[in-house]
Amino acid sequence: QSVLTQPPSVSGAPGQRVTISCAGSSSNIGAGYAVHWYQQLPRTAPKLLIYANSNRPSGVPARFSASKSGTSASLAITGLQAEDEAHYYCQSYDSTLTSSVFGGGTKLTVL
Amino acid sequence: QLQLQESGPELVKPSETLSLICTVSGGSINNGDYYWGWVRQPPGKGLEWIGRVYYSGNAYYNPSLKTRVTIFVDTSKNQFSLKLNSVTAADTAVYYCVRVDFGELLYDHWGQGLLVTVSS
Repeated sequence: QSVLTQPPSVSGAPGQRVTISCAGSSSNIGAGYAVHWYQQLPRTAPKLLIYANSNRPSGVPARFSASKSGTSASLAITGLQAEDEAHYYCQSYDSTLTSSVFGGGTKLTVL
Repeated sequence: QLQLQESGPELVKPSETLSLICTVSGGSINNGDYYWGWVRQPPGKGLEWIGRVYYSGNAYYNPSLKTRVTIFVDTSKNQFSLKLNSVTAADTAVYYCVRVDFGELLYDHWGQGLLVTVSS
């Protein structure tokens, strides 16, 4: 059971928009700790996709965006492409656990 | 360009110690803006933070692993290492070494990962 809760899977057709939620609590996201998102393509290491709630590292397309509100965060992908098919993980810090924590991951399928 | 590379035994027997090294190239491990850490991923499962270490040697561990884990740096070799004691099959995973931003505690560079299997 992960501290941050993500849906196990989402799907969308090419060109569509999908969102992935990340639900936390008052000891992590709700406490003001930043949320970061990672993309893991098949058989590769995760890659930083979004940092500090809503910022894109250089090279990440503007189709990827994220936001945070209260005790949850969300990742949005617009103009879905086949190459976006991957697992996506949210990550934050938990003050009760004194630990960096990850969501369980969401598998995005492009139909 | 910063690169991280894991190395070590890919097969470890139950009850023994898992030992991995991460070699950093293209940047110095003495950079005070970063920690250096380990994340693991059991086959078909999600990511788990193991711990991180600062160039000074100060280390922080996942409470669930704290009694079995040690992470330390060797600045002369630009390497950092992971030791996990008393391993069981549940420790079978891909182990990634990572660079950790000091302020945001995000993982901005990852090694390619090394699958370590615990089996007799």
